Amino acid sequence: AQSVTQLGSHVSVSEGALVLLRCNYSSSVPPYLFWYVQYPNQGLQLLLKYTTGATLVKGINGFEAEFKKSETSFHLTKPSAHMSDAAEYFCAVRPGYSTLTFGKGTMLLVSP
Amino acid sequence: KAGVTQTPRYLIKTRGQQVTLSCSPISGHRSVSWYQQTPGQGLQFLFEYFSETQRNKGNFPGRFSGRQFSNSRSEMNVSTLELGDSALYLCASSFGQGENSPLHFGNGTRLTVT
Repeated sequence: AQSVTQLGSHVSVSEGALVLLRCNYSSSVPPYLFWYVQYPNQGLQLLLKYTTGATLVKGINGFEAEFKKSETSFHLTKPSAHMSDAAEYFCAVRPGYSTLTFGKGTMLLVSP
Repeated sequence: KAGVTQTPRYLIKTRGQQVTLSCSPISGHRSVSWYQQTPGQGLQFLFEYFSETQRNKGNFPGRFSGRQFSNSRSEMNVSTLELGDSALYLCASSFGQGENSPLHFGNGTRLTVT
């Protein structure tokens, strides 16, 4: 069975600072990996995905993530935080034909 | 292209009642999945349908059921509601099933059980 661990239920950064949200996964087969963002009272929006190929994946709104197989990690980063980035972020794994499994989420707080 | 549409957006029911939630996927998408989101448990998988067939089911009691129609629209039903069923129910659609097709989510139905 697959699982996802997101370190830190809350992460606080200042506007303009680096954003780093951590995600580690376990999977018995090569996984597909995703990051989603959820704004209040809305559904989840896909930020980026890793399937195969290049391990550094670029997504929307300036976010990117790097797949590191040896560390079973898929951390999400953004060089400079904006106030509009404040939201909850979910890492998810889908090994092969299995279902999509989400982490518990990390709330990103951005202060001026 | 219209996104995933869930109706209703908000619902208030009494314990013991039953409820039906509806989901219209993105045009052309054949796979529909349902998730329950609560502050304590996070996002939990309910079921996944592809071409009217349930392909996967999460660890929920039999009070939770679903179906998919020939036009890919889906409904989920919860019978004999309990207070713990209060949650945001999210529907997601994708073009394929079991592939790297990302899920596209609706805005959810907020169910409150009193």
